[in-house]
Amino acid sequence: EAGVAQSPRYKIIEKRQSVAFWCNPISGHATLYWYQQILGQGPKLLIQFQNNGVVDDSQLPKDRFSAERLKGVDSTLKIQPAKLEDSAVYLCASSRSETQYFGPGTRLLVL
Amino acid sequence: QQPVQSPQAVILREGEDAVINCSSSKALYSVHWYRQKHGEAPIFLMILLKGGEQKGHDKISASFNEKKQQSSLYLTASQLSYSGTYFCGTIYGGSQGNLIFGKGTKLSVKP
Repeated sequence: EAGVAQSPRYKIIEKRQSVAFWCNPISGHATLYWYQQILGQGPKLLIQFQNNGVVDDSQLPKDRFSAERLKGVDSTLKIQPAKLEDSAVYLCASSRSETQYFGPGTRLLVL
Repeated sequence: QQPVQSPQAVILREGEDAVINCSSSKALYSVHWYRQKHGEAPIFLMILLKGGEQKGHDKISASFNEKKQQSSLYLTASQLSYSGTYFCGTIYGGSQGNLIFGKGTKLSVKP
């Protein structure tokens, strides 16, 4: 079974630029999550989707972050405009039941 | 409410044992344990749902106390491959709650 796929793996941008990350969950997993992991910390949930609907986006900074999962499969996370403090690894995870499976993440550096 | 992990870091020689603790000030619905190697995705180890539960595979096991406020991860006869950062993730309230991760415990196994 293929795992969670994410791209790109690395991205370097300047502050105030925009960036987008893509995630393809494990086949058949209805629930998809985006996490932000700052160096030395555990992952922090940004948004949770159930199929193509948002379940929880209470910790998503909506003035600059947006996410969508239009067809209930792939998802994109966008940051516009980026700030220095957005430098982090953005992890996507998916689940069918209690267990979440993580992708390799996108490492973002904002200069 | 972020769970508290201890210790923050531990260094072992191959073959030694380690215990990593994860504590909460209120009762949990479940505890999830993950291991993350540098630059890689967090890998799921196990989930505990019931007070007093103990489970494990190979030489890695975990327990969940009766009050469901503390979990411990046990690594016995450690191998070099056990090196990484161990995170506990906790869910409060019920199965629909969000996974909240601790700050992690960095484990280094030396030859």
